[in-house]
Amino acid sequence: AQSVTQLDSHVSVSEGTPVLLRCNYSSSYSPSLFWYVQHPNKGLQLLLKYTSAATLVKGINGFEAEFKKSETSFHLTKPSAHMSDAAEYFCVVSRGSQGNLIFGKGTKLSVKP
Amino acid sequence: GAGVSQSPSNKVTEKGKDVELRCDPISGHTALYWYRQSLGQGLEFLIYFQGNSAPDKSGLPSDRFSAERTGGSVSTLTIQRTQQEDSAVYLCASSPKDRGPEAFFGQGTRLTVV
Repeated sequence: AQSVTQLDSHVSVSEGTPVLLRCNYSSSYSPSLFWYVQHPNKGLQLLLKYTSAATLVKGINGFEAEFKKSETSFHLTKPSAHMSDAAEYFCVVSRGSQGNLIFGKGTKLSVKP
Repeated sequence: GAGVSQSPSNKVTEKGKDVELRCDPISGHTALYWYRQSLGQGLEFLIYFQGNSAPDKSGLPSDRFSAERTGGSVSTLTIQRTQQEDSAVYLCASSPKDRGPEAFFGQGTRLTVV
């Protein structure tokens, strides 16, 4: 079975400082992993995805994530936060290239001026 | 091109009534998902259709919930005898076969049971 745990329900950073959103996964198969973002009153948007190619994945808006099999982690990072990054972020795991998507409970990112 | 379309965008219904929620996926996408998002609960998987395979219904919370996908395209999620705890945003997503499970989400239907 697949599952995903987002370690922080809420993260607050100052504008211009680094962002780290933590995610651990559990999967019996080679997983596909994703990060989605949901801005207030907006739909879910894919930030980036890992599907067994390069372990360091770059996404949109300067975000990236590193797949670490030994730690079963897929943490999301950004070197410098922007006010527009304030949103809820979801870590997602899927069984390989098929199967349903299992969402974490989300991390709400606040960015202070 | 058009994205995933869901209708209605908002639905208010009385407890005990049946409701139908519609999802039009992106043309050509073989996979279709339904999720439920409740306040503070994240996204709860409901059901997954992939091509002509039998759907994965493992996330449906009770037998009051059912979903169909006709002709491999449009899907309808039906909730019978609605309860107040069914109030949530119901999200639909679709995915193309050749891009794995990367899903494109609709804007959702906000269901309120009064």
